[in-house]
Amino acid sequence: DAGVIQSPRHEVTEMGQEVTLRCKPISGHDYLFWYRQTMMRGLELLIYFNNNVPIDDSGMPEDRFSAKMPNASFSTLKIQPSEPRDSAVYFCASSGWGLTEAFFGQGTRLTVV
Amino acid sequence: QQQVKQSPQSLIVQKGGISIINCAYENTAFDYFPWYQQFPGKGPALLIAIRPDVSEKKEGRFTISFNKSAKQFSLHIMDSQPGDSATYFCAALNTGNQFYFGTGTSLTVIP
Repeated sequence: DAGVIQSPRHEVTEMGQEVTLRCKPISGHDYLFWYRQTMMRGLELLIYFNNNVPIDDSGMPEDRFSAKMPNASFSTLKIQPSEPRDSAVYFCASSGWGLTEAFFGQGTRLTVV
Repeated sequence: QQQVKQSPQSLIVQKGGISIINCAYENTAFDYFPWYQQFPGKGPALLIAIRPDVSEKKEGRFTISFNKSAKQFSLHIMDSQPGDSATYFCAALNTGNQFYFGTGTSLTVIP
């Protein structure tokens, strides 16, 4: 398996634009997590899905953030409109029931100017 | 609210020295405590983990010490090497498969 695949690796956008981050979890994993990494706050859990259903989105900072998982092999995190303070590295991770390890993608570095 | 508190934020150690990173938690529902290692430009990867029914786990130069009564656990890196330079995250996992991470420690091992 190729592991968790995220795209794009880097995204630079202007304030106010819509940004969509994409994630393909490991096949067979039924948990998918979106994290945001900053120096100040470390790894923050934004939202996680179980069997494509959002379970906890309490970490989503504002209504500008939304996430979907239309099927077991694809998820998106959308920011609309984007702001400079959204600049961070966004990670997607997946895990399976009974597994105690979360497998991370390589992340998307987002810069909003 | 930070579920897992981690310190220090950064650490500089001489080659051959011992690196120590500490974490604390409050939620007694956590039942698994992993440590993740992250190199620049990469996602975090599992390094070592412990369950609360043991007080210590050792894998090579890496040791987790766990104090259940104090709700604290720590990572010790013995004989630290420049290749250990990375960011380390402690984490806690509950029965709902929800991972909570600390804020991370940037470790630099000086040759």
